[in-house]
Amino acid sequence: DTGVSQDPRHKITKRGQNVTFRCDPISEHNRLYWYRQTLGQGPEFLTYFQNEAQLEKSRLLSDRFSAERPKGSFSTLEIQRTEQGDSAMYLCASSLEQHTEAFFGQGTRLTVV
Amino acid sequence: GNSVTQMEGPVTLSEEAFLTINCTYTATGYPSLFWYVQYPGEGLQLLLKATKADDKGSNKGFEATYRKETTSFHLEKGSVQVSDSAVYFCALSINAGKSTFGDGTTLTVKP
Repeated sequence: DTGVSQDPRHKITKRGQNVTFRCDPISEHNRLYWYRQTLGQGPEFLTYFQNEAQLEKSRLLSDRFSAERPKGSFSTLEIQRTEQGDSAMYLCASSLEQHTEAFFGQGTRLTVV
Repeated sequence: GNSVTQMEGPVTLSEEAFLTINCTYTATGYPSLFWYVQYPGEGLQLLLKATKADDKGSNKGFEATYRKETTSFHLEKGSVQVSDSAVYFCALSINAGKSTFGDGTTLTVKP
């Protein structure tokens, strides 16, 4: 296993378009997290899954954002009607349920123009 | 709520200098504490962790001690190298859930 994988690494989109990001966690990890990081800030929690169940969503996750993990393996994060304020690095992480250590992917950098 | 406050950067040191990056936290509950490092162009990597009071996490010459009485988890290294140049994030997590991060401290080590 090569770790947490995210695709694409970079995405440039026009305002108002929809975008979807994918995260493939470490295979035996049943927890998967999404974070957003803007320049000069630490990662901010968006949502997390235990297997296929979405257990918590941050207030940061507006109605335009939706995340899924349909088979408890990979996850997708969709942003509808993108806004310039959505420009950020979107990070995915995974962990084993009984541990607190999370392993991060390299992120997807979104630029909304 | 939970929060993490880190020493503001950037920090610039000469090679072989002593490093301290301060981190304090507030938490509702009993957190585990972490330092993550982000090298240029790379993702976040766990540097070290501590899960209970007075535990010392260590890795690659870096150390941090979980101080419950001062709610701190300061990162130290006795002799930094140019290759240590990176952004360092302090974080906490409760019950194997989401992590709360500080804003990061950028370290530049000059030869």
